[in-house]
Amino acid sequence: NAGVTQTPKFRVLKTGQSMTLLCAQDMNHEYMYWYRQDPGMGLRLIHYSVGEGTTAKGEVPDGYNVSRLKKQNFLLGLESAAPSQTSVYFCASSFSTSGNTDTQYFGPGTRLTVL
Amino acid sequence: ELKVEQNPLFLSMQEGKNYTIYCNYSTTSDRLYWYRQDPGKSLESLFVLLSNGAVKQEGRLMASLDTKARLSTLHITAAVHDLSATYFCAVDMEHQGGSEKLVFGKGTKLTVNP
Repeated sequence: NAGVTQTPKFRVLKTGQSMTLLCAQDMNHEYMYWYRQDPGMGLRLIHYSVGEGTTAKGEVPDGYNVSRLKKQNFLLGLESAAPSQTSVYFCASSFSTSGNTDTQYFGPGTRLTVL
Repeated sequence: ELKVEQNPLFLSMQEGKNYTIYCNYSTTSDRLYWYRQDPGKSLESLFVLLSNGAVKQEGRLMASLDTKARLSTLHITAAVHDLSATYFCAVDMEHQGGSEKLVFGKGTKLTVNP
């Protein structure tokens, strides 16, 4: 049971390049999330998904797109990277049943630098 | 808009001492989470507080929730060096709805000195 995994762990991009971050979970969780963490800012929610085939915007969605084609995977895309997107990106997942709330389980993070 | 404020943001304490980290939030919510993050690492869940008056304890850490005051505390008892980390509180955006969308505080960086 690997939990939540993220690929890649590190990446350097030039301004204007595109890339996709992959998140995978093997806990059969319904909900998945993408956050970014910047120094002194805590974590901010980018996009999230409440089930296969669904996505929704979080606090800071601009410049990012996501897809959840399979329940276990959640992809985060940057179509045209900007230096302001230099950050550490965390994926998380949780399992929510009616009337209950579980904690979120986080992946190891992806450190992205945009030059 | 939900705002979550932690204080202090930086805390340096001696081993053996007690201290409390505070987490205030601006709108009604009855679901609050505490996480720990070691440098360069991911976030680890510490506590899930789901109702007013909830209190949970694990080792030297105890967390409580007062939804009427919109306040949670993380109390550290007899600190040891291994507790050095950054601690985040996070609040669910929706009251009673369990939206699963969390707003995080900026974190409290705790350093425990010998």
